[in-house]
Amino acid sequence: KAGVTQTPRYLIKTRGQQVTLSCSPISGHRSVSWYQQTPGQGLQFLFEYFSETQRNKGNFPGRFSGRQFSNSRSEMNVSTLELGDSALYLCASTLVGSYNEQFFGPGTRLTVL
Amino acid sequence: AQKVTQAQTEISVVEKEDVTLDCVYETRDTTYYLFWYKQPPSGELVFLIRRNSFDEQNEISGRYSWNFQKSTSSFNFTITASQVVDSAVYFCALSEAGSGYSTLTFGKGTMLLVSP
Repeated sequence: KAGVTQTPRYLIKTRGQQVTLSCSPISGHRSVSWYQQTPGQGLQFLFEYFSETQRNKGNFPGRFSGRQFSNSRSEMNVSTLELGDSALYLCASTLVGSYNEQFFGPGTRLTVL
Repeated sequence: AQKVTQAQTEISVVEKEDVTLDCVYETRDTTYYLFWYKQPPSGELVFLIRRNSFDEQNEISGRYSWNFQKSTSSFNFTITASQVVDSAVYFCALSEAGSGYSTLTFGKGTMLLVSP
């Protein structure tokens, strides 16, 4: 069974630009969660989507948004990038009901210059 | 509010030593799950173990063992006879019934360096 895939793996953007990251969950998993990892703040929850609906949201500004498609693939978008948005963005997929264990992808490393 | 504390930022050991990684958590929920994840330099978080709040049985898996004590809100992780391949950052995490178990609250992580 294929794992969680994230594209792209690396991205370099400049301040003020916007970026879209993609996550394809494990087949059959309908929940996708996004996390931001930085050296200073550690791993922080961004949001979670289930059946194309955002179920939970972390404490991030509105510049961070996401969506989920009918095939469970998810995208997250960050608009008006700031230097502090440089981070590893991790996506996790969950087979809801199976102890809600989250399986993580390899992440997208975003660098904002 | 939920919180996970990993007081050890970095631990260095020599191969074959035993090492224990500490995790203390806070939650108002009576039903929750605790997890340990390993993050090697590649960046991907690798699931190691899940424990629910009603199961205080300790668990052993090969060289890994976990000690869950609700009385002290701790979920510690021990690696016996450490190996160089164990070098990684280890994260303890909590998910609560209140959030539908859909969010993980992570500790800051403990970097383990095992030298030959």
